[in-house]
Amino acid sequence: QSVLTQPPSASGTPGQRVTISCSGSSSNIGSNTVNWYQQLPGAAPKLLIYSNNLRPSGVPDRFSGSKSATSASLGISGLQSEDEADYYCAAWDDRLNGPVFGGGTKLTVL
Amino acid sequence: EVQLVESGGGLVQPGGSLRLSCAASGFTFSSYEMNWVRQAPGKGLEWVSYISSSGSNIYYADSVKGRFTISRDNAKNSLYLQMNSLRAEDTAVYYCARVTAFDIWGQGTMVTVSS
Repeated sequence: QSVLTQPPSASGTPGQRVTISCSGSSSNIGSNTVNWYQQLPGAAPKLLIYSNNLRPSGVPDRFSGSKSATSASLGISGLQSEDEADYYCAAWDDRLNGPVFGGGTKLTVL
Repeated sequence: EVQLVESGGGLVQPGGSLRLSCAASGFTFSSYEMNWVRQAPGKGLEWVSYISSSGSNIYYADSVKGRFTISRDNAKNSLYLQMNSLRAEDTAVYYCARVTAFDIWGQGTMVTVSS
């Protein structure tokens, strides 16, 4: 069981907006920032969103992040076929003294 | 180009040992904390270990504490993971990743623990 909870799957059609949720607790999301990662099939993960809502250079503004209390969410607008991937949230956990991940959400573009 | 390249993976018997390496280039390695993260086949990501930029602070996941040792050689721009008493459940792709935001990842090296 992952410390952070994500839905196992999500889907949308090209052009749609999808949201992926990430639920945690006071020891992780509640007191630390959240990062999101995209893992394309057969590839290493890539940082998509850091510090809750900031995008690294090169990440399209179609990707956005937000956080409220002990939950966070990743939004993807203008869905494209190349967005089909696994998405993971992560945050530092003060109780475990290390970073924790969500179980991952497999996004399918229909 | 900022790059991390892992090596040292392979097939090892239960109870055996393996040492992974991660070669860094394109940035000032000695200024950055580093991590190892693993991914079992078909599963999600699991943080394994952290080391501060100087090597003075080190943390481990409970699942590997007492069996794995993280270290670094800033003169060689290299990160290491010594893995002892390996178990079947340690089978995974092992990635090195920069800082606790994991902003840069290597391509990974596969470790298979099986008899």
